[in-house]
Amino acid sequence: DIQMTQSPSTLSASVGDRVTITCRASQSISSWLAWYQQKPGKAPKLLIYKASSLESGVPSRFSGSGSGTEFTLTISSLQPDDFATYYCQQYNSYSSFTFGGGTKVEIK
Amino acid sequence: QVQLVQSGAEVKKPGASVKVSCKASGYTFTSYGISWVRQAPGQGLEWMGWISAYNGNTNYAQKLQGRVTMTTDTSTSTAYMELRSLRSDDTAVYYCARCFGYGSDYWGQGTLVTVSS
Repeated sequence: DIQMTQSPSTLSASVGDRVTITCRASQSISSWLAWYQQKPGKAPKLLIYKASSLESGVPSRFSGSGSGTEFTLTISSLQPDDFATYYCQQYNSYSSFTFGGGTKVEIK
Repeated sequence: QVQLVQSGAEVKKPGASVKVSCKASGYTFTSYGISWVRQAPGQGLEWMGWISAYNGNTNYAQKLQGRVTMTTDTSTSTAYMELRSLRSDDTAVYYCARCFGYGSDYWGQGTLVTVSS
């Protein structure tokens, strides 16, 4: 199975900060990566698919990049609504659509 | 509008089975897959498996092989996930999500399954 490793696991930041979260795959997944945002008690929300495609309705301050084994999610200017946990998920292999362990973005 | 509405919370004893339903509306059910994802209390997301609503093909997480079965009823646009031989570490919120091949864009509200003696 492909393993997905996110870093950092926790990130403290202030409103207006530029935030970057990294996701590494244990083998190449081309661009088959999605990013989700989850708030406590809520279902995850799709932000980015195919590594860099912005889901409809998602603010443009969110962007994704990368291919192969290394990917990043960037929030260009952190807003109060963005404090949440973020997950990556690989879709390369139909044997397992593995999630990363998550990155909690906290208020500094 | 696209909606996935899941069945209500369940409390089960160890060794029992649970079957969670996920009723889809607002789109052509057979044009997408359904993924099932669970989240134990305070933990991350765990992908459980996927079913094609078009042809019923399934793919399950290796750790759940033999204990999980995913099915669909296209006449009612409903997906089901059955988990057998429940253990305490199966206690989690279970989500269904519409899967379009590159991600899961619509999610159910979640179903809490508690396994306790």
